[in-house]
Amino acid sequence: DTAVSQTPKYLVTQMGNDKSIKCEQNLGHDTMYWYKQDSKKFLKIMFSYNNKELIINETVPNRFSPKSPDKAHLNLHINSLELGDSAVYFCASSHLHLAGSSYNEQFFGPGTRLTVL
Amino acid sequence: TQLLEQSPQFLSIQEGENLTVYCNSSSVFSSLQWYRQEPGEGPVLLVTVVTGGEVKKLKRLTFQFGDARKDSSLHITAAQPGDTGLYLCAGAQGAQKLVFGQGTRLTINP
Repeated sequence: DTAVSQTPKYLVTQMGNDKSIKCEQNLGHDTMYWYKQDSKKFLKIMFSYNNKELIINETVPNRFSPKSPDKAHLNLHINSLELGDSAVYFCASSHLHLAGSSYNEQFFGPGTRLTVL
Repeated sequence: TQLLEQSPQFLSIQEGENLTVYCNSSSVFSSLQWYRQEPGEGPVLLVTVVTGGEVKKLKRLTFQFGDARKDSSLHITAAQPGDTGLYLCAGAQGAQKLVFGQGTRLTINP
């Protein structure tokens, strides 16, 4: 059984379109994340949700809107896609440990390769 | 934003050789994690180090956290082709956010 799953695996679309990527985790985690990995393999966090509430929102264009219908799902909607949005997007999940704990072991999905033409 | 610098970025060696990958920062992290990523897949956690000076071993892989908790190293003994992959270090500030290094792409030639 897949722990963190993403759909679609590949997404090719035209500039200006709107698209969504879906993520689901069956690990019982309470926190989910979206990361962007660029062509140089640099992995950077975009958003984090804990129990459906936004807790991390890095400097990301407001064309990107995450939505968490429940704590097992975190979807990413992107409006008006641009060439620079082409990348691999990874969803991840973890338990959010309370203050005083230093652990944040994250489990990643297989990624969605987005290509904007 | 805290930065993690990994070195080398690319490493290609022969099977059987030893190697060390470094992860350095000017910032202190509450913990540091090492991930391995295969092509077309997401990163998979190898180890978490928490205490300054901590050493953890995973078969032929040895991970060390610096005394000041600003740096870490990954040492592989007798590398094998199956060790080929992208190795990522990630520093945790508190429990919520990981900052990743740019990765070390390791190739072990038979």
